[in-house]
Amino acid sequence: DTGVSQDPRHKITKRGQNVTFRCDPISEHNRLYWYRQTLGQGPEFLTYFQNEAQLEKSRLLSDRFSAERPKGSFSTLEIQRTEQGDSAMYLCASSLGNTSRAGELFFGEGSRLTVL
Amino acid sequence: KQEVTQIPAALSVPEGENLVLNCSFTDSAIYNLQWFRQDPGKGLTSLLLIQSSQREQTSGRLNASLDKSSGRSTLYIAASQPGDSATYLCAVAGANSKLTFGKGITLSVRP
Repeated sequence: DTGVSQDPRHKITKRGQNVTFRCDPISEHNRLYWYRQTLGQGPEFLTYFQNEAQLEKSRLLSDRFSAERPKGSFSTLEIQRTEQGDSAMYLCASSLGNTSRAGELFFGEGSRLTVL
Repeated sequence: KQEVTQIPAALSVPEGENLVLNCSFTDSAIYNLQWFRQDPGKGLTSLLLIQSSQREQTSGRLNASLDKSSGRSTLYIAASQPGDSATYLCAVAGANSKLTFGKGITLSVRP
């Protein structure tokens, strides 16, 4: 168990470019979550998957954002036509759903996006 | 809509002091409550998870309590150390384990 892994840890991009973040959850975890955290704020929910199915998306997730989890293992979060307001830390978490510990989320180190 | 409040936003204490961090939430229909630690520029480390049926959990020098009916939780840190300096986040889980977070309390423990 190597924990939740995120890549890249830091991405600097120019406004209008596309960026993609990857998350590898803890291997036996079937639920995967994406959160966004801006400076001085707590993380805000973006979306979550149970296996490969995307079950909920926040209204924060505009149509420029897309998340996938094609084989129920790793997930990607893509932001198209980035804006300066997208600058934030993007956090991935995983949990073991449908158990008494389903609510315990384990977070990765995050991917920090800076849009110039 | 669930709202989680953590006050104060920052706290500074001398080393060795016992301290209590407070968290309040507006909707008592929660599945569990988690306390996390976050170091600057880092991800979140889970400290304690309290299921909705439980009243408290303990891990080492940390003790967390939950009072669902009043919408409150406290995190007690005994004999604080400079290494405890970090931001402490409270989060409550609703349906599908979706977490709603407070803004966190930034703790500084002075040597």
